[in-house]
Amino acid sequence: AQSVAQPEDQVNVAEGNPLTVKCTYSVSGNPYLFWYVQYPNRGLQFLLKYITGDNLVKGSYGFEAEFNKSQTSFHLKKPSALVSDSALYFCAVRDKGNTPLVFGKGTRLSVIA
Amino acid sequence: SAVISQKPSRDICQRGTSLTIQCQVDSQVTMMFWYRQQPGQSLTLIATANQGSEATYESGFVIDKFPISRPNLTFSTLTVSNLSPEDSSIYLCSVGQGIRDTEAFFGQGTRLTVV
Repeated sequence: AQSVAQPEDQVNVAEGNPLTVKCTYSVSGNPYLFWYVQYPNRGLQFLLKYITGDNLVKGSYGFEAEFNKSQTSFHLKKPSALVSDSALYFCAVRDKGNTPLVFGKGTRLSVIA
Repeated sequence: SAVISQKPSRDICQRGTSLTIQCQVDSQVTMMFWYRQQPGQSLTLIATANQGSEATYESGFVIDKFPISRPNLTFSTLTVSNLSPEDSSIYLCSVGQGIRDTEAFFGQGTRLTVV
């Protein structure tokens, strides 16, 4: 069975500092990995995905994530955080088969001015 | 990409009543998915809806409580029946999780409050 772990409920970072939101996963085969962001009273917005290819994936709003197969991790990063990045971030995984996404519990990012 | 229109965006309902949520996609899709997000929680898959067949429900979700219709390839409804305060959640529909898809798309969600 697929699973995703986001070990941090909350991440606090000062504006302008780099940020990392952690994610580890478990799947039986090769994974499709995703990051989504949810702003208050808004739906899920897609940030980036890893399907195959380069381990470093670049996405929307300056975010990037690094796929590490040996550590089964897919941490979300941004070199310089903005206050507007404050939101709830979800990591999700699916097997390459016809299976629906499984989500982590979410990490609330708070960027402080 | 796919654009999903989900209605209503929010509603407040009385205990014991039902709410039907509509999900309209701007392209034909084989599979549609319904998720629930309880307050402060992650997204949990309720069921997968294929056009022309019965929906497939995940453990803990039953058809009597969450009947789903899928009349064509662009539309689905989820009904939450016999509402109780525990049903207060955000409900989201999603597409793009088929075997050839590499990105899932989500509606804006329906915020349900049961009083």
